[in-house]
Amino acid sequence: GDSVTQMEGPVTLSEEAFLTINCTYTATGYPSLFWYVQYPGEGLQLLLKATKADDKGSNKGFEATYRKETTSFHLEKGSVQVSDSAVYFCALGKGGGGADGLTFGKGTHLIIQP
Amino acid sequence: DTGVSQNPRHKITKRGQNVTFRCDPISEHNRLYWYRQTLGQGPEFLTYFQNEAQLEKSRLLSDRFSAERPKGSFSTLEIQRTEQGDSAMYLCASSSWTSPVADTQYFGPGTRLTVL
Repeated sequence: GDSVTQMEGPVTLSEEAFLTINCTYTATGYPSLFWYVQYPGEGLQLLLKATKADDKGSNKGFEATYRKETTSFHLEKGSVQVSDSAVYFCALGKGGGGADGLTFGKGTHLIIQP
Repeated sequence: DTGVSQNPRHKITKRGQNVTFRCDPISEHNRLYWYRQTLGQGPEFLTYFQNEAQLEKSRLLSDRFSAERPKGSFSTLEIQRTEQGDSAMYLCASSSWTSPVADTQYFGPGTRLTVL
């Protein structure tokens, strides 16, 4: 079945460091890919998405590119801030009018130190 | 638009009791989803509705779980004869599905269930 694997956390970085959170997936067909973020005490929020191969999603300085050849959707940010501390979830959705529940990874806890 | 709301936010119950959660989606969203999230894990899909029709149920949704969306607006998730293993955060999401690609789901704050 479909699955998402993301790097284990916690990931601890200093402010202004470069961030990469790895995400790879297994799925049949052509899924859409998402990154969701969960800030402390808050619900899941969509951070960015990509719906087809080579698409780049971006938001709030974060970027991720849909790489079909490597089945990856790694999240990157050039300079992190303390306010980026949160749990980040990679997810895939199948679309096509069929089974459309999202499949999530386990989440990566990011801690940014000042 | 106030987003997806869920009630109650917290529920503590004794094993064997029944519980019911409510989800109010973003208005005019035609799809509504339920997920379960346990500590240290990502959300796991339980079921979803398109308007009032329940179109898919996960294997995780045992016979003790039932969900309804009677008028295509709010939804309820009931768990009968709760077990300690049911303790989790129950998340609701909604979307406005209009295209063949997977839609963007907007999540509520969740209902945290603790079964003693």
